[in-house]
Amino acid sequence: QKEVEQDPGPLSVPEGAIVSLNCTYSNSAFQYFMWYRQYSRKGPELLMYTYSSGNKEDGRFTAQVDKSSKYISLFIRDSQPSDSATYLCAMSVGNDYKLSFGAGTTVTVRA
Amino acid sequence: DAGVTQSPTHLIKTRGQHVTLRCSPISGHKSVSWYQQVLGQGPQFIFQYYEKEERGRGNFPDRFSARQFPNYSSELNVNALLLGDSALYLCASSFGTGGDYGYTFGSGTRLTVV
Repeated sequence: QKEVEQDPGPLSVPEGAIVSLNCTYSNSAFQYFMWYRQYSRKGPELLMYTYSSGNKEDGRFTAQVDKSSKYISLFIRDSQPSDSATYLCAMSVGNDYKLSFGAGTTVTVRA
Repeated sequence: DAGVTQSPTHLIKTRGQHVTLRCSPISGHKSVSWYQQVLGQGPQFIFQYYEKEERGRGNFPDRFSARQFPNYSSELNVNALLLGDSALYLCASSFGTGGDYGYTFGSGTRLTVV
């Protein structure tokens, strides 16, 4: 079993739809949870950064963490074609050195 | 401000050869980490260096080595290249160690081993 599971998709939605992405994990020591966006042939770009359980909102993006279920989510409202990318979840045990990534979900927003 | 810069952007090597990849962190960042991203997968942790000392190593063979210089830039070296080493190699920098500060990634070096 992988430490972080993420459905690779692909996911295709019409412009303006809500995109829902999620990851599950097995290591209960994870405390820091991140979502990265990666465009083709580019490095990952940090979108959201959350500590422990709860919700965090930034513009059109909302990140949710449910540590009791070992489940994290990212919602993108009013999706745009420019949101088309691969979305990676990542997590860390805190003052640790290593990020553990999911496999990434490829999202296409159709104009 | 310049982000994390990596060189070269692309590289083609033959099996058995050696390769050196370079990374310059964001100014003021003291920690550099290296990740390997195989096509269709998430990045896998290789090394982290902080203040020129190795702080962590992932599950990679001894053919992989790295170092950090006094100016906090870093090199990743891979010896005796295998076809399976073909991947995007990502460098990430942060102010300190761990998840408290967040990591900024470079655009990566795409290595192809033939």
